[in-house]
Amino acid sequence: DAGVTQSPTHLIKTRGQHVTLRCSPISGHKSVSWYQQVLGQGPQFIFQYYEKEERGRGNFPDRFSARQFPNYSSELNVNALLLGDSALYLCASSLGDQRSYEQYFGPGTRLTVT
Amino acid sequence: KNQVEQSPQSLIILEGKNCTLQCNYTVSPFSNLRWYKQDTGRGPVSLTIMTFSENTKSNGRYTATLDADTKQSSLHITASQLSDSASYICVVSPMQRGSYIPTFGRGTSLIVHP
Repeated sequence: DAGVTQSPTHLIKTRGQHVTLRCSPISGHKSVSWYQQVLGQGPQFIFQYYEKEERGRGNFPDRFSARQFPNYSSELNVNALLLGDSALYLCASSLGDQRSYEQYFGPGTRLTVT
Repeated sequence: KNQVEQSPQSLIILEGKNCTLQCNYTVSPFSNLRWYKQDTGRGPVSLTIMTFSENTKSNGRYTATLDADTKQSSLHITASQLSDSASYICVVSPMQRGSYIPTFGRGTSLIVHP
């Protein structure tokens, strides 16, 4: 059974550009969460989506947005990229609300902004 | 502000030795406390999950303890192996209705030498 998949694996963008990151959850999982992990630090929560609705939003600017599709896959969009957006972006899926269910993380997308 | 502090920041031990990692948190009340293992460049993998009513949870050579009164948790690794070299992250999830924002620690970097 496939785990959480993310694409692309690596990405290089320049300041001011827009980026879209994609995540496919484990089959049967209805919740997807996004995290940003800057080198040397723990992940920071960006969004949680459950049953296609936003259930949580971390302390990130409006340049960050996300959505969940009917098949429960998800996209994270970041506009007007800044150098500080360079990080590993992690997606995690769970059967239900992650307060009660185990989370499974994908391998991440390494974003470099130059 | 909810905080999770981990210590030590880094640790070097010899293969076969035991070690204990610490996690202090201010999140209260909380739903659960989780320990993750994260290999370099990979997504975190869950080791243990404890609710506020539990005080110990084991997963093979990993044993987590929780003292809700002092708001401290520890992760004990027994008979360390080279493959234990990784970052260990403590995550505390608040107990609140509506949106949900987990708080991650910065992690303890463990290096196991032969």
